[in-house]
Amino acid sequence: GAGVSQSPSNKVTEKGKDVELRCDPISGHTALYWYRQSLGQGLEFLIYFQGNSAPDKSGLPSDRFSAERTGGSVSTLTIQRTQQEDSAVYLCASSASGGGETQYFGPGTRLLVL
Amino acid sequence: QKEVEQDPGPLSVPEGAIVSLNCTYSNSAFQYFMWYRQYSRKGPELLMYTYSSGNKEDGRFTAQVDKSSKYISLFIRDSQPSDSATYLCAIGSGTSYGKLTFGQGTILTVHP
Repeated sequence: GAGVSQSPSNKVTEKGKDVELRCDPISGHTALYWYRQSLGQGLEFLIYFQGNSAPDKSGLPSDRFSAERTGGSVSTLTIQRTQQEDSAVYLCASSASGGGETQYFGPGTRLLVL
Repeated sequence: QKEVEQDPGPLSVPEGAIVSLNCTYSNSAFQYFMWYRQYSRKGPELLMYTYSSGNKEDGRFTAQVDKSSKYISLFIRDSQPSDSATYLCAIGSGTSYGKLTFGQGTILTVHP
């Protein structure tokens, strides 16, 4: 079956512009996670969705970052007024219902802010 | 101090070698332990998952957890060039909705 998909694969933007990153989780998975992977760093948790609500947004680094999920499926991560330090790989994962279940990752979106 | 520490390597070994990858963690609330493999420009994929102290074996891979020492390991036997990747330890708490805390990742190269 189809895995987690993310788009775009790569995004180059200018400092100050807004970007939207999209995640399509595995069909039927209610839990969705966003992580960020910077050069030399492990994956950092950003936000967790259960259905359309986000009970844990504790990893969002600033108020320039926001995310939403609609229809219990697709999620969009938005970064406003991008900064060079936002350059990273943004990874999305989904699991059947959250908790300690296996998280399946998408291929990521590579964001470069010039 | 990071909650999960992992030696980033890089680690280079000859084909057929036994590889040992390690992580330490500081939070006693962590309850489940995973190892992910990540090939270049791909997302991480789950290799091993365990809840308890002790060893878990799957083919050439063995995951070891020592909760008393807050130490986890992944052993790869008879390593192959196809094992060349970044290996990430990931640890979760039962109270955090499945949020995972990752180590930095160890870059492994297995040369023929």
